[in-house]
Amino acid sequence: DSGVTQTPKHLITATGQRVTLRCSPRSGDLSVYWYQQSLDQGLQFLIQYYNGEERAKGNILERFSAQQFPDLHSELNLSSLELGDSALYFCASSVLPSGGPNEQFFGPGTRLTVL
Amino acid sequence: SQKIEQNSEALNIQEGKTATLTCNYTNYSPAYLQWYRQDPGRGPVFLLLIRENEKEKRKERLKVTFDTTLKQSLFHITASQPADSATYLCALTSGYSTLTFGKGTMLLVSP
Repeated sequence: DSGVTQTPKHLITATGQRVTLRCSPRSGDLSVYWYQQSLDQGLQFLIQYYNGEERAKGNILERFSAQQFPDLHSELNLSSLELGDSALYFCASSVLPSGGPNEQFFGPGTRLTVL
Repeated sequence: SQKIEQNSEALNIQEGKTATLTCNYTNYSPAYLQWYRQDPGRGPVFLLLIRENEKEKRKERLKVTFDTTLKQSLFHITASQPADSATYLCALTSGYSTLTFGKGTMLLVSP
């Protein structure tokens, strides 16, 4: 158990809908990262927050947004969902704010299926 | 653009042998390279980190090498076991950027 929790575990929804994925980092970790993993694309970095502030942005679509709250949990909002958004979404956390000697601890993921 | 290449074909080996996985990169000057293990449907788990000025790092049955001239890292599992069967991901960072992951190589260890 990495100490990172994600809810829900599974999510099935229809095209055009909006969903929210939730992540709680390990105790003491200030950085939260969101990743999307599909079979053909591998693990794609979406966005990072550090202590409530956006720190880095990756290949995140404009239809997606995220935030980190004062208690350090984070939410990833996906809107106007398309079939291609079906994937595993992982949250990870780390102690340090940047990409130094900084291992990341991953949650169990949320499997999103868009029908 | 930055590119990380890991063998997309699964590596099949027999129990007890040494598994060697390769990670090559281009257009990148990583300061740190990490290896993660991922089981199907689960989140990646950190295994080892090696710095650009380190040639080799070991942890129990695991060994990682990092050759910045060849732009390559090798990941070895000695005395492999069926429980080592998983997908192994390499990930790089320049030290200021976030991690960039390769697509991973699946390892299958048969009894």
